[in-house]
Amino acid sequence: AQKVTQAQTEISVVEKEDVTLDCVYETRDTTYYLFWYKQPPSGELVFLIRRNSFDEQNEISGRYSWNFQKSTSSFNFTITASQVVDSAVYFCALSEETSGSRLTFGEGTQLTVNP
Amino acid sequence: DTAVSQTPKYLVTQMGNDKSIKCEQNLGHDTMYWYKQDSKKFLKIMFSYNNKELIINETVPNRFSPKSPDKAHLNLHINSLELGDSAVYFCASSQDLIQTQYFGPGTRLLVL
Repeated sequence: AQKVTQAQTEISVVEKEDVTLDCVYETRDTTYYLFWYKQPPSGELVFLIRRNSFDEQNEISGRYSWNFQKSTSSFNFTITASQVVDSAVYFCALSEETSGSRLTFGEGTQLTVNP
Repeated sequence: DTAVSQTPKYLVTQMGNDKSIKCEQNLGHDTMYWYKQDSKKFLKIMFSYNNKELIINETVPNRFSPKSPDKAHLNLHINSLELGDSAVYFCASSQDLIQTQYFGPGTRLLVL
């Protein structure tokens, strides 16, 4: 069965600090997909990144970067030089090839960036 | 321009009523979903349709019935609403199975 754990329930930082959001997953499939979504206070769910299990390359997009390590079953998300607008709930999610299109979400990490 | 839209955005109703939430996507996607987000922000899939065919039906009370009149629409009808149905319901769509899912703005349902 697939499972996603985001152990950090809440994180509070001061603007310009770097912050890493942890995500650990469990799956028996060899082919799977990992995602990060952002849910700002306005409530919508915004797609950030998708990574398949065969691609362990780290990715950088502006101030955002992702570290995928199959050896530790982790897919961590780092925000560099955080800004107040980064304040949101961030969800990590997993989809297995054998379980169809089901997205299993972690419980989310509430990030608060203070000015 | 909206990719995935839901109506209504807010829904306040009495226990025992029947209500529907509509979802439309203009992305040309083949797969659509309903997710429920509870008061603790936990997101869980309810249903998934691919080319108008039901492919995922999680352990959801049969008071909940999805209907897909065409590939661009997936509606959710809820009978005999209960207090515990209060939540935010998100519709999503993807090009196909296993592809990235794009979410609608959510419908906040409050059952009194």
